[in-house]
Amino acid sequence: EVQLVQSGAEVKKPGESLKISCKGSGYSFTNHWIGWVRQMPGKGLEWMGIIYPSDSDTRYSPSFQGQVTISADMSITTAYLQWSSLRASDTAVYYCTARTGTYISWGQGALVTVSS
Amino acid sequence: EIVLTQSPGTLSLSPGERATLSCRASQSVSSNYLAWYQQKPGQAPRLVIYGVSTRATGIPDKFSGSGSGTDFTLTINRLEPEDSAVYYCQQYGGSPWTFGQGTKVEIK
Repeated sequence: EVQLVQSGAEVKKPGESLKISCKGSGYSFTNHWIGWVRQMPGKGLEWMGIIYPSDSDTRYSPSFQGQVTISADMSITTAYLQWSSLRASDTAVYYCTARTGTYISWGQGALVTVSS
Repeated sequence: EIVLTQSPGTLSLSPGERATLSCRASQSVSSNYLAWYQQKPGQAPRLVIYGVSTRATGIPDKFSGSGSGTDFTLTINRLEPEDSAVYYCQQYGGSPWTFGQGTKVEIK
């Protein structure tokens, strides 16, 4: 069974950096796309980007290109979403998601709150 | 980028009725990578349908997905109060993967 387990909720101040994680298990992590989805309070789902761990091929939505960094560590089957300087507008729930064949799995979500 | 347009925006139906939700893509969705999610307030999205028509684990057979190319449909038979939610479609074939804006299903 595919499982994606995300790191916990975070509370940060504007300008701080952050890296959240998503550990995959139950499938071949190296050979399947894994990525991130944002959901701002009261809003819809926004796809941010994906990474193919075996060669680190990374694709970003134009809306998020340059705003975040997606990475993966195959040795611990974990994907990451990183910010170098958070803004209040980054406050949202972030989900990781992985495609295995036509099946798509989701993590439980991580609430990131950015407030001074 | 494949743009997904869902209609209607809101669907208000009575218990026992059938809901038909539409998801139209701006270009063909590759390899049947089309999914539907149900999201209730305060909860994570729940996968309902993947691969256009395959029900996810634990999803009752009152939910069905169909379509191909650019036109896809989620049908919910025998509506019950617990089906009240926002439903999103997603294509996860071509990058960027994209979501529709959602259809809110209300049970009268």
